[in-house]
Amino acid sequence: AQKVTQAQTEISVVEKEDVTLDCVYETRDTTYYLFWYKQPPSGELVFLIRRNSFDEQNEISGRYSWNFQKSTSSFNFTITASQVVDSAVYFCALRPSGSARQLTFGSGTQLTVLP
Amino acid sequence: GAGVSQSPRYKVAKRGQDVALRCDPISGHVSLFWYQQALGQGPEFLTYFQNEAQLDKSGLPSDRFFAERPEGSVSTLKIQRTQQEDSAVYLCASSLATGRTGTIYGYTFGSGTRLTVV
Repeated sequence: AQKVTQAQTEISVVEKEDVTLDCVYETRDTTYYLFWYKQPPSGELVFLIRRNSFDEQNEISGRYSWNFQKSTSSFNFTITASQVVDSAVYFCALRPSGSARQLTFGSGTQLTVLP
Repeated sequence: GAGVSQSPRYKVAKRGQDVALRCDPISGHVSLFWYQQALGQGPEFLTYFQNEAQLDKSGLPSDRFFAERPEGSVSTLKIQRTQQEDSAVYLCASSLATGRTGTIYGYTFGSGTRLTVV
């Protein structure tokens, strides 16, 4: 069975602060994929990143960065110099590499960036 | 189309009424998924299609839920005799590839249908 835990239900920061969203996962599969999605008020899930379990290199994309630590089963997401437009619900998700193709999502973190 | 289109955007149903939710995936996308998202929760898997074949329906909560994709493109999620606990956002996602490499392309989600059962 797969499980994704996002312990932070809500986070509020002031614009330009850095913020880290935590994600811890559980899986018995040796190979798997991890995702982050953003869900603005419009409701659509916007893809941010996909990482496979073979690659533990951290990744940076503009103000976004991801820290994948296989030893602690964590895949944390950091937004540097946050902006009001970053306000949304962020979901971490897991997909094993086997026949099951669906994503298992965490419960999400509501990020509010205040001006 | 350019994205995954879902209709209606909002649906209010009286308890006991049947509803049908439509998903129009990105043209050429082989895989199609339905998820249910309760208020304040993450999406939960309902069912998966590869072309017209429903390969996994393990997430459907009861036999009142039925999904089809007869021609391998548009899909319909039908809920019979709706109950208040069915109130949620129903999300559809599509993906290009068929096998394990499907994850390389990721999943494109629609904006969902918000179902409210009163």
